[in-house]
Amino acid sequence: DGGITQSPKYLFRKEGQNVTLSCEQNLNHDAMYWYRQDPGQGLRLIYYSQIVNDFQKGDIAEGYSVSREKKESFPLTVTSAQKNPTAFYLCASSIRPVYSNQPQHFGDGTRLSIL
Amino acid sequence: AQSVTQLDSHVSVSEGTPVLLRCNYSSSYSPSLFWYVQHPNKGLQLLLKYTSAATLVKGINGFEAEFKKSETSFHLTKPSAHMSDAAEYFCVVSSPNTGNQFYFGTGTSLTVIP
Repeated sequence: DGGITQSPKYLFRKEGQNVTLSCEQNLNHDAMYWYRQDPGQGLRLIYYSQIVNDFQKGDIAEGYSVSREKKESFPLTVTSAQKNPTAFYLCASSIRPVYSNQPQHFGDGTRLSIL
Repeated sequence: AQSVTQLDSHVSVSEGTPVLLRCNYSSSYSPSLFWYVQHPNKGLQLLLKYTSAATLVKGINGFEAEFKKSETSFHLTKPSAHMSDAAEYFCVVSSPNTGNQFYFGTGTSLTVIP
């Protein structure tokens, strides 16, 4: 079955540590997205990529970094510069959005906590 | 600018009674609108979408929504609630003038009382 796989499901970060969240999709989608979800808030866009080797900052990119070396993969690194990283992180993908209003498909998320 | 307002943060209904989750949007251009459902510790699942075709949109699990341009609303309804409907629901707007970026509401938590 096609879908989006996020790993790990739970992740713990120590002070001063960078951690990387994995996102893989086999839907052959061009566009991929990372969102952060905090209790009582909607999803906020961290980064997005519409094509391999290209990505754009979203609304809350500070303290995060991404890469898009393969169409299927869009890992997110939470750096030590992100002072409040505790949240639920969701990865999504869609058909390239520039020419269509297609829905985004979501993975099951990674919950990041601080030790 | 695009934005979404979900008018109720929490809604409680009894099993078997109708569900109404309210959503108002703001968009400079003809928007696309979506409803997603999220169960605890899970990702978002698409319920239905409106993309300038029929104004009454039918989705999965018996849900439907009506696009009302004059009221800038896209409320989600279901005739009869089931216990499995208890979840968080998100209304989302996107439009071509912002590269089809998604703008999420803050969510409505639906409780179904047996």
